[in-house]
Amino acid sequence: AAGVIQSPRHLIKEKRETATLKCYPIPRHDTVYWYQQGPGQDPQFLISFYEKMQSDKGSIPDRFSAQQFSDYHSELNMSSLELGDSALYFCASSLGFPPGQGGGTEAFFGQGTRLTVV
Amino acid sequence: DAKTTQPTSMDCAEGRAANLPCNHSTISGNEYVYWYRQIHSQGPQYIIHGLKNNETNEMASLIITEDRKSSTLILPHATLRDTAVYYCIVWDRYSSASKIIFGSGTRLSIRP
Repeated sequence: AAGVIQSPRHLIKEKRETATLKCYPIPRHDTVYWYQQGPGQDPQFLISFYEKMQSDKGSIPDRFSAQQFSDYHSELNMSSLELGDSALYFCASSLGFPPGQGGGTEAFFGQGTRLTVV
Repeated sequence: DAKTTQPTSMDCAEGRAANLPCNHSTISGNEYVYWYRQIHSQGPQYIIHGLKNNETNEMASLIITEDRKSSTLILPHATLRDTAVYYCIVWDRYSSASKIIFGSGTRLSIRP
């Protein structure tokens, strides 16, 4: 079965550079979540989208932005990179329902993008 | 913030059942109990979820207490490949802003 695809799998950037991480959800899934996992830490929620609209926002720095496109794939844009941004970035997708109209499926995660800022 | 409490670590002998407890005393009526695991820096893997009733699938069983304030994930015959961090999560799938919030998880080690 098709899974969540993230690209690239590995990325090395220098401080103050920009980076774009891409997430391709499972076909028919309309909800995307982004997470950041620092070394030795648990995944931290960054932001989510449902039907191309931002649905929730967590501890995402102002230097980061994200969007979900018409084909439901999502991109996380990171600017002015800092050494502390080095982490694993996971994307997850699920099939959601309009708010208040019941739940969807469980969320499935991609294999992540390992970002190293040097 | 995470609404669950789990032991930091556990170990289990290969071939035996691994029982991972989780406390979620503030769970609300719409929140499901979900379990995910993460094997060494891989993406979290969905295991099982439930609302009130006990659930079983090909990977595990989930036992939820009647008051829903705690649950136990059971891996019936643990193998070395089950070594991972296991996350117990409560998730309101009916919320317009539903998301998975990870707590600290339980690091499960399977010994040969």
